[in-house]
Amino acid sequence: AQSVTQPDIHITVSEGASLELRCNYSYGATPYLFWYVQSPGQGLQLLLKYFSGDTLVQGIKGFEAEFKRSQSSFNLRKPSVHWSDAAEYFCAVAFYYKLSFGAGTTVTVRA
Amino acid sequence: NAGVTQTPKFRVLKTGQSMTLLCAQDMNHEYMYWYRQDPGMGLRLIHYSVGEGTTAKGEVPDGYNVSRLKKQNFLLGLESAAPSQTSVYFCASSYGALGLAGGTEGSSYNEQFFGPGTRLTVL
Repeated sequence: AQSVTQPDIHITVSEGASLELRCNYSYGATPYLFWYVQSPGQGLQLLLKYFSGDTLVQGIKGFEAEFKRSQSSFNLRKPSVHWSDAAEYFCAVAFYYKLSFGAGTTVTVRA
Repeated sequence: NAGVTQTPKFRVLKTGQSMTLLCAQDMNHEYMYWYRQDPGMGLRLIHYSVGEGTTAKGEVPDGYNVSRLKKQNFLLGLESAAPSQTSVYFCASSYGALGLAGGTEGSSYNEQFFGPGTRLTVL
């Protein structure tokens, strides 16, 4: 069965520093992968997605993610974090009609 | 274009009461979904629908029922609420099936759009 693991429950990063969020998936076929962001009290917003092709995917808000099939990973990165990036981030893998989500990583940004 | 809307935004129920959550989308999407979000568990799929008049069970369907009588609406019902159903409920919709080929790279064909959520507390 498909599954997603986000090893880091909580990450604290200084404003202006780089950020990397880890995501590992388990899926038998070529995965469709997503990263979503959820600000406090809000719904989920899609940051980026990977279906095929170039393994480095660019998204909104300056985020990018790299798909590594050999490591079953789809890590999210941002070179310089802004205070507004404080949120919860979810990685997800699509299986037919459905998304399976990881448990999420909460990002705190300190001044 | 309102996207995905959910009614109500907040609700408090007593154990044993019933209620219906309404999800509406104006994007002519075929697929609709109901998730629940609990701390440390991400989002878990309750039920989904691949088209008008169809529904199917997700990961955690027990205690919930759904109906999709109109393409734009997807209703989630709790017949007899329990404290374990205290959660934040999200509705989502998509035009295409997420894990199947379709659309063009960069399009939103396979993207799932989420509503703002309903916070439900069962006492």
